[in-house]
Amino acid sequence: DSGVTQTPKHLITATGQRVTLRCSPRSGDLSVYWYQQSLDQGLQFLIQYYNGEERAKGNILERFSAQQFPDLHSELNLSSLELGDSALYFCASSVGTRETQYFGPGTRLLVL
Amino acid sequence: SQQGEEDPQALSIQEGENATMNCSYKTSINNLQWYRQNSGRGLVHLILIRSNEREKHSGRLRVTLDTSKKSSSLLITASRAADTASYFCATVSGAGSARQLTFGSGTQLTVLP
Repeated sequence: DSGVTQTPKHLITATGQRVTLRCSPRSGDLSVYWYQQSLDQGLQFLIQYYNGEERAKGNILERFSAQQFPDLHSELNLSSLELGDSALYFCASSVGTRETQYFGPGTRLLVL
Repeated sequence: SQQGEEDPQALSIQEGENATMNCSYKTSINNLQWYRQNSGRGLVHLILIRSNEREKHSGRLRVTLDTSKKSSSLLITASRAADTASYFCATVSGAGSARQLTFGSGTQLTVLP
């Protein structure tokens, strides 16, 4: 158990809908990262927050947004969902300047 | 886009044998990490090697890094059926608190009992 929690575990929704994925980092970790894992794209970095502020952006679509709250939990919002958004979405956390990231169990999103 | 490319894509060995996976990357890095993922589960950090290190050991794991060739290898000795998983290398770039992992495509290791 990494100490990172993600909810929900599974999510099934329809195209055009909007969903919110939630992540709670390990106690004391200030950085939260979001990744998408799909069969065709592999593991892709989406976005990083550090102590409430956006710090790095990867291959995140404009339909996707994220935020980190004062209690350091983070939410990833996916809107106008398309079939191709079906994937595993992972959250990871780390102490601000440490390199090792600890991954949550993921949220499996299925868009029908 | 993928920074690292693992080789081979899939590897099947007998229990007790050694497994070697290779990773190549394209840009300069701060460090390189190896992660393991059991089917459909989260990633587990295995080992980190910094750009100024050449070799590192952790239990049955041995990692090498050749920055001149932009490549790394992960050796798992005396493999067990429980080692069956996907293994990913990830390079770290960025400075300060803005660090991101860029993952390779992974090697699927199957250890047969």
